[in-house]
This record gives sequence, structure tokens and C-alpha cells, in this order.
Amino acid sequence: GNSVTQMEGPVTLSEEAFLTINCTYTATGYPSLFWYVQYPGEGLQLLLKATKADDKGSNKGFEATYRKETTSFHLEKGSVQVSDSAVYFCALDDNTDKLIFGTGTRLQVFP
Amino acid sequence: GAVVSQHPSWVICKSGTSVKIECRSLDFQATTMFWYRQFPKQSLMLMATSNEGSKATYEQGVEKDKFLINHASLTLSTLTVTSAHPEDSSFYICSARVRQGAGGYTFGSGTRLTVV
Repeated sequence: GNSVTQMEGPVTLSEEAFLTINCTYTATGYPSLFWYVQYPGEGLQLLLKATKADDKGSNKGFEATYRKETTSFHLEKGSVQVSDSAVYFCALDDNTDKLIFGTGTRLQVFP
Repeated sequence: GAVVSQHPSWVICKSGTSVKIECRSLDFQATTMFWYRQFPKQSLMLMATSNEGSKATYEQGVEKDKFLINHASLTLSTLTVTSAHPEDSSFYICSARVRQGAGGYTFGSGTRLTVV
């Protein structure tokens, strides 16, 4: 079946460091891909999305490119801030009216 | 944008009692809503999908009689945890499919349930 695999956390960085969180997927057809962020004690917020191959989603300095050839949707940010500390979830929508989530990656940014 | 309001944000209840969690779509009609459960430091586990005016579809292993879902209107879905026990303590999150505009899914802010 369809699935999403994320790198395990926690990812610990100093402020202004470069961030990469890997995400790969397995799906038939042409799913849409998402990154969601969850701050402590809160629900999920959509960070960015891409709906077709080679699309780049971007928001708040974060970027991810839909790579069909490598079935990947890695999340990147050039300079992280302490306020970016959260759990990040990669997800896919395979058009069956359900989101399939990865296991989540906790990011901790220290000043 | 499409907003889902979830209440309460946290609740503490005694074992054996029932707790109702509400999820409302504020500025759109949500024909389909989803209920997730999240254990500490883990991902979201889909419990059930509710469709307005019909019975919810539960995922394998989720007790229908334990977690009652009602989706009586296009803007309201409720999850009732019946005869709660400490092992039901968890973070519950609702989500709605957004069919207009940019589409996608929007999430409630979650409810932390503690059963004592």
C-alpha cells in the first residue's frame, strides 16, 4: 500500500543552521504531497504542499520539491530559528480521501 | 481560509464517564471529517472517517462502540469516548477535507484527554 517514510529525529541544530528533513514515499498514480508542522500542544498546520512532479512548495523560508524520479519530498530551510522547533510531518494524499502521514520528525533548534 | 474549531482543548475525566469532543467547520461545509489519535511523540493514527448524514467508517482495530462519531450536519462532527479508561488518555485531532479554493485538509487544534 501507499506509505510515507521520514527520517527519524530528533534533529538538533543551532540557530541559523541549514535544515534538511528527508521524506520518501511509495504510491501509485500521482499523489499530492504535504508538509505539516505541529507546535507543542497544538494541532497540525499546513506548511507547504506540491501537487505534481517538479512542483516546489514554499512557505516561511521552508521549501520542498516533488521529485517523482526519486519519490522524495525533502524539506529544507536555509537558516533555522529557535521558533522553528516543532514536529514536522510529511504526508501524501493519494486521492482516496485520506492523508497518509509519516512518523514525524522532531526539530530542536538551540540559540 | 478554511478553519476547523475543536473543543475542548483539554479535558480531565474520571474512569467510566463519557467525554464528547466537538469539531466545527467555521467558514465552509465539511462533508467529510477525520478523527485522529496521537500518542506522545508518535504520528497520527487515523481512527475513523465521518461523512455527513451517514455512519462513520472506522479503521481496523478501532472500537466503534467505544468511540462514537456523529456527523449530523455539514459543519459539526463529534467524537464521544464512552466509558473512558486511563488507556484512552491521548491527544485527539479532527480534520476536514476542504473541497473549495486550494483544497487540501485543515486540522483542529486538538484535544488532550486525560482519564484518571
